[in-house]
Amino acid sequence: DTGVSQDPRHKITKRGQNVTFRCDPISEHNRLYWYRQTLGQGPEFLTYFQNEAQLEKSRLLSDRFSAERPKGSFSTLEIQRTEQGDSAMYLCASSSWTKPNNEQFFGPGTRLTVL
Amino acid sequence: GEDVEQSLFLSVREGDSSVINCTYTDSSSTYLYWYKQEPGAGLQLLTYIFSNMDMKQDQRLTVLLNKKDKHLSLRIADTQTGDSAIYFCAESRDNTDKLIFGTGTRLQVFP
Repeated sequence: DTGVSQDPRHKITKRGQNVTFRCDPISEHNRLYWYRQTLGQGPEFLTYFQNEAQLEKSRLLSDRFSAERPKGSFSTLEIQRTEQGDSAMYLCASSSWTKPNNEQFFGPGTRLTVL
Repeated sequence: GEDVEQSLFLSVREGDSSVINCTYTDSSSTYLYWYKQEPGAGLQLLTYIFSNMDMKQDQRLTVLLNKKDKHLSLRIADTQTGDSAIYFCAESRDNTDKLIFGTGTRLQVFP
């Protein structure tokens, strides 16, 4: 068990560019979550998948954001036409549906800076 | 976390107990969690409590839940400098699998 991994750890981009982040969950976990954390705040939910199905999306997830989990394993989060307000830490978590307490294990995050 | 509130800072002396408080508003909470976040690191799950319980102890950690007042606390006994971090409470509700986090409490432990 290598834990949840995310790539890249840091991304600096210019406003208007597109960025894509990757998350690899714990291998036996079938649920995968994306959260966003800004400075001084707790993580805010963006979206989550059970296997390859995207089951819930936050209203924070504007049309410029899209997430996929095509084979029910890794997931990608793409932000199109980035804005300075997108600067944040993007966190991925995974959990197993067999655990009733829904304990979610988090990756180290991808820190996005939009110039 | 608009529905989960925490005080922002707590400062304690090494060896003393720390108590971090959290209030939530939704009565449909099923599980409540405490996560720890150290600088440059991801969130680490410390402990959790089911909403039907009122206390859970795990080594130096004691979680108290007052469901009537929607108040959750985390007590850390014999606080060490390595406990310095930001602590987040979070809740899950019975109609969703997402976690709703508080704003976090920064714990500073001084010698």
